[in-house]
Amino acid sequence: EIVMTQSPATLSVSLGERATLSCRASQSVSSSLAWYQQKPGQAPRLLIYSASTRTTGLPARFSGSGSGTEFTLTISSLQSEDFAIYYCQQYNKWPRTFGQGTKVEIK
Amino acid sequence: EVQLEQSGAELKKPGESLKISCKASGYSFTTYWIAWVRQKPGKGLEWMGVIYPGDSDTTYSPSFQGQVTISADKSTSTAYLQWSSLKASDTAMYYCARHHWSNQWLAPFDPWGQGTLVTVSS
Repeated sequence: EIVMTQSPATLSVSLGERATLSCRASQSVSSSLAWYQQKPGQAPRLLIYSASTRTTGLPARFSGSGSGTEFTLTISSLQSEDFAIYYCQQYNKWPRTFGQGTKVEIK
Repeated sequence: EVQLEQSGAELKKPGESLKISCKASGYSFTTYWIAWVRQKPGKGLEWMGVIYPGDSDTTYSPSFQGQVTISADKSTSTAYLQWSSLKASDTAMYYCARHHWSNQWLAPFDPWGQGTLVTVSS
């Protein structure tokens, strides 16, 4: 099983600041990496797939990068609606696995 | 609009059986894989398994193999997750989620259902 490790567990950021979230895979997942956002009481929502492709309508302040085992989600200028938990997920191998999540909170 | 509508919250006792549902609409049900994901209270996401409704091909996570059964009914465009004997440790939110691309087993999940809360308590 591929283990996905996210860091940090919690990220405290001020409005308008940049947030950088990391995700590491225990073995290569190529570019089969997705990022999801989950707000309290809501289902997860797909943001980024294929490591760097934004879903339709996702603001350009969200960007993804990386391949192989190291991936990054960057939010260039945090807005109030971006405070949430973010999960990475590999979909290259069975079983699909998620990281443990990074909580982005208001500083 | 593509939608996955899940059945309502359940309160069950240990040892009871349960089948929850995920009704799909707005797309060709038989050509997209559907996955089930568990989220225990305050915890992260766990992939349980996936089904291809076209031929009911199913793959389970080793962690859930033998613990649950995933099925699908093409006539009603509905996927199911069932337990034969619930445990308190099955208490969680359960989400169904469609693969983002048709006929692709290498795919992220989009969209997701709203979730079904299952509570198992004596």
